[in-house]
Amino acid sequence: EVQLVESGGAVVQPGGSLRLSCVGSGFTFSRYTFNWVRQAPGQGLEWVANIHVSSTRRYYADSVKGRFTISRDNVDNSVFLQMNNLRDEDTAIYFCARASPPDGDYPPFRFWGQGTLVLVSS
Amino acid sequence: IVMTQSPLSLAVTPGEPASISCRSSQSLLHSNGNNYLDWYVQRPGQSPQLLIYLGSQRASGVPDRFSASGSGTDFTLKISRVEADDVGVYYCMQALLTLYTFGQGTRLEIK
Repeated sequence: EVQLVESGGAVVQPGGSLRLSCVGSGFTFSRYTFNWVRQAPGQGLEWVANIHVSSTRRYYADSVKGRFTISRDNVDNSVFLQMNNLRDEDTAIYFCARASPPDGDYPPFRFWGQGTLVLVSS
Repeated sequence: IVMTQSPLSLAVTPGEPASISCRSSQSLLHSNGNNYLDWYVQRPGQSPQLLIYLGSQRASGVPDRFSASGSGTDFTLKISRVEADDVGVYYCMQALLTLYTFGQGTRLEIK
């Protein structure tokens, strides 16, 4: 069974940093593309970033480019989102999502984690 | 690419059909003949779930009450007979460009 478990969400002050983690199990982690998708309170879904199998291909939404960095560790079956210079508008539940099939990137959000809450507040 | 859904909410009697429209600001038809349009549902308190990909292909485990159609810039999700478990917010999403974008969401309620 495919499982994605996010962690690292917390309350952080504006301008602060946070690192989110997502651990995958039930599949060969190194063969899949991963995404982060967020959802502000009471709002819709916004794609944030993705990282392909090789890690050389990474893409970011304009709203986070230059502030967020996505990375992965295929030994620990983990994908990370380093978030710097956080703003009020970054407050959201952050979901980790895995693409399908292996070695491909579409559909991009075949499996989802349960999400982790980031609250940016002074 | 801007995705626009309508209606933003609808209330449906169980057993009746429902339909949601999605329009993209540019064509989602790839040169390979596929439309890179997905539909997701987020049920209350849950993570989103993939329903439809490539415009009309049901994801595994999705009941055949759900169908989707369309090409280019205009797409439709249909539920043939709404059930209580279908309550949630439905999103269309373009995957033609890696900077994926979602529609605003359509909230489905049961009358």
